[in-house]
Amino acid sequence: GAVVSQHPSWVICKSGTSVKIECRSLDFQATTMFWYRQFPKQSLMLMATSNEGSKATYEQGVEKDKFLINHASLTLSTLTVTSAHPEDSSFYICSAASPGRPYEQYFGPGTRLTVT
Amino acid sequence: DQQVKQNSPSLSVQEGRISILNCDYTNSMFDYFLWYKKYPAEGPTFLISISSIKDKNEDGRFTVFLNKSAKHLSLHIVPSQPGDSAVYFCAAWIHGSSNTGKLIFGQGTTLQVKP
Repeated sequence: GAVVSQHPSWVICKSGTSVKIECRSLDFQATTMFWYRQFPKQSLMLMATSNEGSKATYEQGVEKDKFLINHASLTLSTLTVTSAHPEDSSFYICSAASPGRPYEQYFGPGTRLTVT
Repeated sequence: DQQVKQNSPSLSVQEGRISILNCDYTNSMFDYFLWYKKYPAEGPTFLISISSIKDKNEDGRFTVFLNKSAKHLSLHIVPSQPGDSAVYFCAAWIHGSSNTGKLIFGQGTTLQVKP
């Protein structure tokens, strides 16, 4: 299957600081990438859809000013958690949609964010 | 409002036997259904998908069955292997506007295959 990388794999930051997470599609061009969040023992929840060259579409309840998404190229999308708080601590996972089959998504390994 | 439900949080089977993972959904507008496998601290790995107009799709040891009238799908793994031990997520794709859409995931079922 397709390869999607995420960096960093884990990060610890202090409350009030910002953290950037990168998601790269390594072997195909992804016009659409998705950002998910997973709490312990829970399902993946879609946060936003990232479209190359346009503004991201956020799910209801997700603050777009807090979770900044940039999809500057067909292989890179970034999620910046601004002014992080302990409640933002979570597992963040990105995915890249298979060209022509957006329902078939290839996921990155995830980033564990801990805000102290 | 949980549109995709996996009611069994865990399942344990013996190596070589069949594993059957179940998923129920409520929205008849879903276009595709997918199964993903996930290990701890890793992203989900795509396993198999099925279009809403089909009732069966097979790929090697994995078969997905869709019963639209019951709004139910299942994943069969035959024969089960210890390496199949993981969390399995059922997901459904729903189309949005302007060629967009999203995946809605179930809660996951932890499968343990005993040697």
